[in-house]
Amino acid sequence: TQLLEQSPQFLSIQEGENLTVYCNSSSVFSSLQWYRQEPGEGPVLLVTVVTGGEVKKLKRLTFQFGDARKDSSLHITAAQPGDTGLYLCAGSGRQNFVFGPGTRLSVLP
Amino acid sequence: EAGVVQSPRYKIIEKKQPVAFWCNPISGHNTLYWYRQNLGQGPELLIRYENEEAVDDSQLPKDRFSAERLKGVDSTLKIQPAELGDSAVYLCASSLVGPSGYSYEQYFGPGTRLTVT
Repeated sequence: TQLLEQSPQFLSIQEGENLTVYCNSSSVFSSLQWYRQEPGEGPVLLVTVVTGGEVKKLKRLTFQFGDARKDSSLHITAAQPGDTGLYLCAGSGRQNFVFGPGTRLSVLP
Repeated sequence: EAGVVQSPRYKIIEKKQPVAFWCNPISGHNTLYWYRQNLGQGPELLIRYENEEAVDDSQLPKDRFSAERLKGVDSTLKIQPAELGDSAVYLCASSLVGPSGYSYEQYFGPGTRLTVT
């Protein structure tokens, strides 16, 4: 059974700070997705990383896929209150998606 | 392009009553997923369809849950009878799976928040 762990579980920071959240597994995934979910809504896809060692940037968000394709990180620079939400990682294998439990981020103004 | 559509958005029922959720996936997506998400947790897969075939329903509580995907497009998830522990958000997602069997991305609907009293 493939499992994904995310850390930290909760994170509360001030506006303007930087942060990194992690997604780890003992399994290899063909790709990994990061989603952000706001209350009352479904998860919204932020990025997909496919190649080991791949780095993708989306404005102030930087995503990295581990060389062995077992882990990933999301770094946010100069966090804003609009970044508040539940950040979920999901690993994609053959015919299967596995979600982590999420990191709940709160950015205080 | 329209996203994944779900209805209703909210449902409150008494325990032992039946309830049904409907999902219309993104046009052209051949794979449809139903997830259950409890408060503060990530989504948990209930069932996955490839076209009209349920290819993974190992996590679906089959004594009370059922699902169908007629003609490989829309899908309905039913609970009968509902229990207090079924209170959760039920999410539908869709993706396009190629001949290799891999899908890199899935897109979610807004979910149905079910409250069983």
